[in-house]
Amino acid sequence: DAKTTQPNSMESNEEEPVHLPCNHSTISGTDYIHWYRQLPSQGPEYVIHGLTSNVNNRMASLAIAEDRKSSTLILHRATLRDAAVYYCILVDSSYKLIFGSGTRLLVRP
Amino acid sequence: DTAVSQTPKYLVTQMGNDKSIKCEQNLGHDTMYWYKQDSKKFLKIMFSYNNKELIINETVPNRFSPKSPDKAHLNLHINSLELGDSAVYFCASSQGTSGTKTQYFGPGTRLLVL
Repeated sequence: DAKTTQPNSMESNEEEPVHLPCNHSTISGTDYIHWYRQLPSQGPEYVIHGLTSNVNNRMASLAIAEDRKSSTLILHRATLRDAAVYYCILVDSSYKLIFGSGTRLLVRP
Repeated sequence: DTAVSQTPKYLVTQMGNDKSIKCEQNLGHDTMYWYKQDSKKFLKIMFSYNNKELIINETVPNRFSPKSPDKAHLNLHINSLELGDSAVYFCASSQGTSGTKTQYFGPGTRLLVL
């Protein structure tokens, strides 16, 4: 079973920032926090990952709570192409990706 | 240029048939995976191979048999297909196996069993 909890869906306006929350209260010290997204009719796509510190890349930012029991994926300016299901996944030493139900992001023009 | 490719893209077949899905990656990765996404859209890992050796084998019926002829290929053979096998099957690859490794997914093979 997935070890993360995410809202089923969120909406955003185009060009505005989006904050996608994820709770992972049972995270262990060696679990990495990964985010993937799945656009309609496509395979999942890596977005970002982190362990303890906040991370930035060209796609998004990842803010990790100090106690690591929650994290937030930040899309700085949502576009219509960002409409997808976003998955927050804890990856342990078994390196298996265990997908939950994710958050379906709707971007309004 | 496609990093992870799968064939066929669509597969429609009758119950009881045997079929294969092929996956190839040109990223030079040493680890490959098969995932199944059912009608409720849940993605579940099925198998993983590292350097052609099976390292992950989830609770999957033994009608499903993965085969890795080399590090760049991971095929999935399904015997005696059942209605419940209808799903989208995704192949993925990564370089190494640790919590820091990114997995790259193929476009999926949509299997419909009639």
